[in-house]
Amino acid sequence: GIQVEQSPPDLILQEGANSTLRCNFSDSVNNLQWFHQNPWGQLINLFYIPSGTKQNGRLSATTVATERYSLLYISSSQTTDSGVYFCAVAFGTGANNLFFGTGTRLTVIP
Amino acid sequence: DAGVTQSPTHLIKTRGQHVTLRCSPISGHKSVSWYQQVLGQGPQFIFQYYEKEERGRGNFPDRFSARQFPNYSSELNVNALLLGDSALYLCASSSRTGGGKNIQYFGAGTRLSVL
Repeated sequence: GIQVEQSPPDLILQEGANSTLRCNFSDSVNNLQWFHQNPWGQLINLFYIPSGTKQNGRLSATTVATERYSLLYISSSQTTDSGVYFCAVAFGTGANNLFFGTGTRLTVIP
Repeated sequence: DAGVTQSPTHLIKTRGQHVTLRCSPISGHKSVSWYQQVLGQGPQFIFQYYEKEERGRGNFPDRFSARQFPNYSSELNVNALLLGDSALYLCASSSRTGGGKNIQYFGAGTRLSVL
C-alpha cells in the first residue's frame, strides 16, 4: 500500500549543529513538499521538490525520485527550527491529495 | 496578499452535535482541500474541491461532508460528532487540481474538541 516513512522520529540537537531528515515513499510521485509545523499547528511550506535539489538559506532539500527518497538538510540549527517536520507526497498523475509521513520532531537546545 | 484563512480557530462541541468549519483560499486559487490531524500524527486527507466540484475523497465516514462556493471558499461539515473527531482540521489551497507544479498552502487550522 501507499507508504510515506520519515526518519528519525525524534531528533535533539545543540544550537549550531547540522541535521539530515529523511523521507522514503512507496511509489512514483508528482508532488513532494516539506513542511515545518510550528507549536501553534501552522504548516509552513519549506520546499516543493518532486525531484532535484533546492536551497533556501540554511535549509536545502534533495529528492531522488528514481530511488524514492527525499532528504531535508538543516545547517547551523537555531532554537526557532524546533517543531515537527513533515514530508508529504501526491502519487500518480492528476492526484492532488497529499499523503503525509509521521513527521520528525526536532528540538534544538541553546 | 492574505494566505489561507480558517474560522473559527478553536471550537468546543459535545458528542452528537454538528459542526461547520470554514476556509477561504488564497486569492486566485480554485482548489481547496481539507485534512484532519489527530494529535501525534500527520494530517490525513478528507476532501478536495476544485471549481465547486468534489475531486477527491479520503477514507472518512459519511458524517463528513463539504462544499465549495462560487467565490471558492469552502465549508467542512461534520454531523453526529464523536470523541474521536477531536483534532486539528486543516484547509489547503492550490491553483490546480493535480499534476504539474501543484503546491498546496495551508491555513492555521481549526482546533476542534469534542467532549
